[in-house]
This record gives sequence, structure tokens and C-alpha cells, in this order.
Amino acid sequence: AQSVTQLGSHVSVSEGALVLLRCNYSSSVPPYLFWYVQYPNQGLQLLLKYTSAATLVKGINGFEAEFKKSETSFHLTKPSAHMSDAAEYFCAVSRNTGGFKTIFGAGTRLFVKA
Amino acid sequence: DARVTQTPRHKVTEMGQEVTMRCQPILGHNTVFWYRQTMMQGLELLAYFRNRAPLDDSGMPKDRFSAEMPDATLATLKIQPSEPRDSAVYFCASGLDQGAGYGYTFGSGTRLTVV
Repeated sequence: AQSVTQLGSHVSVSEGALVLLRCNYSSSVPPYLFWYVQYPNQGLQLLLKYTSAATLVKGINGFEAEFKKSETSFHLTKPSAHMSDAAEYFCAVSRNTGGFKTIFGAGTRLFVKA
Repeated sequence: DARVTQTPRHKVTEMGQEVTMRCQPILGHNTVFWYRQTMMQGLELLAYFRNRAPLDDSGMPKDRFSAEMPDATLATLKIQPSEPRDSAVYFCASGLDQGAGYGYTFGSGTRLTVV
């Protein structure tokens, strides 16, 4: 079975500081990994995805994530937080099982302090 | 930009009433998903269609929930009878199932309140 664990339901950073949101996955086969962002009263929006090409994946809004197989991790980072980054972030995993379905983590709410 | 359209955006209904939520996936996408989001349970996959055929609805309470795709431009999620515990935000998402990881596009959701 595949799953994702997001470490920390809430993360608070100061504006301009590094953002680090942690995600660990479990999957018996190489997975596809995703990060989504959800702003209040909106649906989820795809930030970036890993599909076994480059291990360092760049996404929208200056975010990037690194796939580390040895650590089964796919942490999301951004060098400098902006107030507009405040949102909930979801890590997700899927694999092709005759039609893939995606399992989402519990989410991490990011707070950005002025 | 192409988008997934969900209607209604908000629905308040009394316990026992039938609720129907609609979703128009992005033209050309062949997979459609229904998710339910609550504070307690997070995002739960309810049902999943590929090429309009249901592939997995194991996350859906079968006694009261049903999901269909009458055509490629419409997916529906129905609750009959509705109960207060069904109060949640229901999201539809669509994507391309090409045998590779392909992210979904989510709609803005239907916020359901059952009183």
C-alpha cells in the first residue's frame, strides 16, 4: 500500500525565511509524487510533480522539491517566504495500477509572519 | 485557462433530502475523481472514473452515495438521503491517465451543509 506522511500540521515562518515542508512516502514501487497548494475557499492547485526524471523538481511560485529515494522523502522548499505563500500544502503519491489514483497527505498549513 | 467547473458552490439542505453535485471536467481529460474534505478526515477519495467507467468507488458509502458519468462532460455525485455527517467540501478533479504521473486539476468545490 502506498501512503504519505506530512510532518507537522502547522509550520510558521517569517517573511523572507526559508520554507521547508516535510513529506515522507511509502510505496512498494517507484512512485509519482506531487505537491499541491490550497488557498482558502479554493480547490487544490498543482505546485510540482516528480515522475522519475530529475530528482530536483522545480514548480510554480519559486517552490522546489527533491526526491530522495534513500530517505523516502520529497520535501518542499522555498528559499524566501512571501506573505502570499500562506496556505495549506498537500503532499500526494500515486502509481500506475491500471489507472492511477492519488493518495493525499493530511496537509501542512503554512503561516507567514510579517 | 481550462478549468473544472463544479455546481453548486454552496448547498444547505435538511437531513433526509437528496443532494446532487455536478462537475464538468476539462475537455479532453479522461479521468475524473471525487474527493471529500473535512477537518477531521482530510481529503478522502470517494470515486474515480476513467473513460467514464467507474474504476474505484471503495471510499464511498454505498448505501447513500452514488457517482455517475452520464457523458464525458458531466460527472455527478448524489447523496440520498443526506445526513449531517455528510457536511463537507466535495471536490471534483480531472486529469489525463497516460500511464505516467499527471497532476489533476481541481474544481473549486461544493460546500455542503446538512442541517
